[in-house]
Formats: sequence, C-alpha cells, structure tokens
Amino acid sequence: GESVGLHLPTLSVQEGDNSIINCAYSNSASDYFIWYKQESGKGPQFIIDIRSNMDKRQGQRVTVLLNKTVKHLSLQIAATQPGDSAVYFCAEKVQGGSEKLVFGKGTKLTVNP
Amino acid sequence: NAGVTQTPKFRILKIGQSMTLQCAQDMNHNYMYWYRQDPGMGLKLIYYSVGAGITDKGEVPNGYNVSRSTTEDFPLRLELAAPSQTSVYFCASSSRLAGGGDTQYFGPGTRLTVL
Repeated sequence: GESVGLHLPTLSVQEGDNSIINCAYSNSASDYFIWYKQESGKGPQFIIDIRSNMDKRQGQRVTVLLNKTVKHLSLQIAATQPGDSAVYFCAEKVQGGSEKLVFGKGTKLTVNP
Repeated sequence: NAGVTQTPKFRILKIGQSMTLQCAQDMNHNYMYWYRQDPGMGLKLIYYSVGAGITDKGEVPNGYNVSRSTTEDFPLRLELAAPSQTSVYFCASSSRLAGGGDTQYFGPGTRLTVL
C-alpha cells in the first residue's frame, strides 16, 4: 500500500548552514511529490513539487531531489534561516488515479542562531 | 483573496454532541479536502470533493459527513463526537492544472477537543 515516511523526526542546524530533509516512499506508482512547511499553529504551506519525470527541481533557496530507483525524496534548504524553523512534510500522489495525497509524519527543523 | 478560511478556530465538545466545521475558499477551486492531524503526526484525509455535488471518502471517514452544495463551501459534520475525534482539522483546496499538478492550499485549522 501507499506509505510515506521520513528518516529523521527532528533536525537541528546552525543558522546559515544548509539543511537536508529526507523522505522515503513505498508506492512505486506515485508520480507526483510535494513538500510542505508547517509552522506552529498554522496550516501547511506549499514549498515545492516535483513530478516523476524529473530528478531535480529548484526554487528559491530550496531544491528537491527525487531518486525513483530507491524511492527517496529530499528537500535541501540553502543558508537556513531562523524563519525556516518548522515541521516539513513530504506528500506523494498517483496522478490520474486516486485524488488522495498521502502525507508523511513530518520532520521538525530547528534553526539555532 | 482570503484563500481558505475555517471557522471556528477552537472548539470543545462533550461526548455525543454534534457540530459542523466550516470551510470556504474564494479561489474558485474545484477540489476541496478535509484532513485531520493528530499530535506529532502527518495529515490524514477524511473526505474530499472534486466539485459541487460530488464527495468521496478519504482514509479516515468514519464519524464524519460532508456536503458540497457550492464551489466555495465544504462543511464537515461530526454527528456524535467521540474523544478519538480530538484533533486539528485542516481544510484545503486545489485547482486541477493541465499536466496534473495539485498544489493544495490549506486553511489555518480548527482545533477540536472532545471531552
């Protein structure tokens, strides 16, 4: 069945360092992936997405890497700032199939000044 | 645009009571969703709708009902509240894009406690 999980539940980094948040998925049919950021007391906020026909996509200070061979997804945040402190969720979906977006449990990122 | 709005922000219910969580979006999105998020966990899909008049079950629909009479509104109904329904509830909406993109926009959430 579908499942999305994260390797580390917490991640602590120094301000200015790069952060890497990892995610594993088990459904080989999933072809669309999204990263969300959730700050305390708020709803998830879209960060970046990637389709399975790509292995890398870049946004502003963020990069998502997709390795379909090992069913692994990562989110890289460059020059991490205190405002990046949040819980980060990956989510997967099968395009054209079920409308269900399956979320992982989340990784809590703490940025130390 | 206000985006996705939810009311109330907080609510405490007694076991067996009923209530409706309101959700509205002003982005003319055809897809709307209800999720619940338990402490330290990811989001689980309760119900979703692909358009007015059409709803379908998600992963955890038991104990809930939905309706979608308009594009803008997607209320979630709890008929007989149980402690297991204590959670934070998020509503989301999305617009199907050509090529199948699905960026979901989330509301601020409703924190529900059932005692």
